[in-house]
Amino acid sequence: AQSVAQPEDQVNVAEGNPLTVKCTYSVSGNPYLFWYVQYPNRGLQFLLKYITGDNLVKGSYGFEAEFNKSQTSFHLKKPSALVSDSALYFCAVRDSNTGNQFYFGTGTSLTVIP
Amino acid sequence: GAGVSQTPSNKVTEKGKYVELRCDPISGHTALYWYRQSLGQGPEFLIYFQGTGAADDSGLPNDRFFAVRPEGSVSTLKIQRTERGDSAVYLCASSPGGWTEAFFGQGTRLTVV
Repeated sequence: AQSVAQPEDQVNVAEGNPLTVKCTYSVSGNPYLFWYVQYPNRGLQFLLKYITGDNLVKGSYGFEAEFNKSQTSFHLKKPSALVSDSALYFCAVRDSNTGNQFYFGTGTSLTVIP
Repeated sequence: GAGVSQTPSNKVTEKGKYVELRCDPISGHTALYWYRQSLGQGPEFLIYFQGTGAADDSGLPNDRFFAVRPEGSVSTLKIQRTERGDSAVYLCASSPGGWTEAFFGQGTRLTVV
């Protein structure tokens, strides 16, 4: 079965420090991986994706993520956190064997402390 | 260009009533998704359209839920005999197809009282 795990409900980081939001996945085929961010009372906003190619992908607002096939992980990272990065982050996966739907994790609430 | 538009943004209805939620996808996007998000949870898949047809409706919780996309553009999610447990944010997303990302609307917050 397909699933996404975000083991941390809450991540706190000081402004200017590096941040990591963790994600692991389970699929039967090849994974296609995505990160979305959600601000209060807003829809999901696309940040970045891994489809194929380089394991390190770069996205919007200075975020990046590294695909690790052996660890089935796709952790989101940013070298220097901003207060404005505080939001809810969702990892999602699509499975090449089933295709259609995106499977989402339960989300990680990131708070950047000034 | 315009993003995915969902109307209404908020809907309060009485238990047992019928509701319709509308989604206008990004122009030219052939794939359309409906998701449901409850407080503190990730989005839960409901249904996927490719063009006019429902290619995957495996996420619809029961036969009170139905969705259409008659002309391959606008979609309507229909809920009959609403229950308090249907209260959630209903999200619509569209994509141009393939393995690319989906773009989400702002959602419709449905409250059943």
